[in-house]
Amino acid sequence: GAGVSQSPSNKVTEKGKDVELRCDPISGHTALYWYRQSLGQGLEFLIYFQGNSAPDKSGLPSDRFSAERTGGSVSTLTIQRTQQEDSAVYLCASSLGDRRQYFGPGTRLTVT
Amino acid sequence: GESVGLHLPTLSVQEGDNSIINCAYSNSASDYFIWYKQESGKGPQFIIDIRSNMDKRQGQRVTVLLNKTVKHLSLQIAATQPGDSAVYFCAEKGSQGSNYKLTFGKGTLLTVNP
Repeated sequence: GAGVSQSPSNKVTEKGKDVELRCDPISGHTALYWYRQSLGQGLEFLIYFQGNSAPDKSGLPSDRFSAERTGGSVSTLTIQRTQQEDSAVYLCASSLGDRRQYFGPGTRLTVT
Repeated sequence: GESVGLHLPTLSVQEGDNSIINCAYSNSASDYFIWYKQESGKGPQFIIDIRSNMDKRQGQRVTVLLNKTVKHLSLQIAATQPGDSAVYFCAEKGSQGSNYKLTFGKGTLLTVNP
């Protein structure tokens, strides 16, 4: 596609429920990144994919968070047993090579 | 502390004036820097980037300056327009180890008054 797309744009869920967030990177981009942005804050790195493998998962806040990427394209970030502190905007980015990253519009997650 | 930070959290300018947004970084091994603009409700939008072997790079109405001696980065916006109002983030990337993830500062809110 023309840019990185993410879905849903907004997600409201009850505490304890699982959620899945989807990212479609720019076609041909080999690298994919997930970040989290809390209200009024900068971006916090979560995980990085090169192809379908994730060399670095160290940014994931807890074992309730997981991500996968299939076919070197679409990625899904899953949060299990959501907590209120998980409320944030989840941003996906992709890049060709290791430099300029292009971001999607984000998914705003609200845990009630 | 964070490796990238901003001197000013907010900046208010008049339309037509030039804007300068500053950023300090602490990782001397960083070899790549990038500026993003984020409008309300949107994802960060790439503005301009610079490698550590350069000290200046110009784009359309924007210039990034890099001073490696004092580990300082700045974004200059010429003839600022109301559409430039947004939060601006600087980010850096290391040359070794975690040379793929960006480390972001907290951002500067730029407000352009008509």
